[in-house]
Amino acid sequence: DAGVTQSPTHLIKTRGQQVTLRCSPKSGHDTVSWYQQALGQGPQFIFQYYEEEERQRGNFPDRFSGHQFPNYSSELNVNALLLGDSALYLCASSPGLAEETQYFGPGTRLLVL
Amino acid sequence: GQNIDQPTEMTATEGAIVQINCTYQTSGFNGLFWYQQHAGEAPTFLSYNVLDGLEEKGRFSSFLSRSKGYSYLLLKELQMKDSASYLCAVRASSDYKLSFGAGTTVTVRA
Repeated sequence: DAGVTQSPTHLIKTRGQQVTLRCSPKSGHDTVSWYQQALGQGPQFIFQYYEEEERQRGNFPDRFSGHQFPNYSSELNVNALLLGDSALYLCASSPGLAEETQYFGPGTRLLVL
Repeated sequence: GQNIDQPTEMTATEGAIVQINCTYQTSGFNGLFWYQQHAGEAPTFLSYNVLDGLEEKGRFSSFLSRSKGYSYLLLKELQMKDSASYLCAVRASSDYKLSFGAGTTVTVRA
């Protein structure tokens, strides 16, 4: 049973560029959440997708957008990249909105130069 | 919103016990989670408390007092592999997103 998978594992971009990160949830999970984790900090909630809709959103600008597909996989898009967007981006899945336990993927480490 | 505080670093000896405290302030409460995160890896789920009291799972135990806005994670019989960051996270009752503390880095020494 595959867990949560994310791609790519590492990415280097320059300021102003756009990036798309991908996530496949754990089998049987239909809810996907995205987090940004800066070095030495805890993960910060970006948004959550359920039934292909954004259900909750954290304090992130509109440059951060996402999508969920019918197979429950998800994408995180970041436009007009800033140096401060450099971080580990984590995807977490759970079997429903109200399910207490979220399982995290290995993350995508993004470096913006 | 949520305000979550936990110590930045703790050091302990192999075989010893360490207790990591977490205090939180939240506008609504729907569960407290502890995750373990090794350097460069994803957080892995350790425990979940929604009612007051102690939850024991092997060498790890987690305690919650909702009236005090307080939780602790107890690691017993420490092993070198327990060296990691331990994240306290709170879920609000109004939504289902997790708010994380900055994490406590535990270093286990021989």
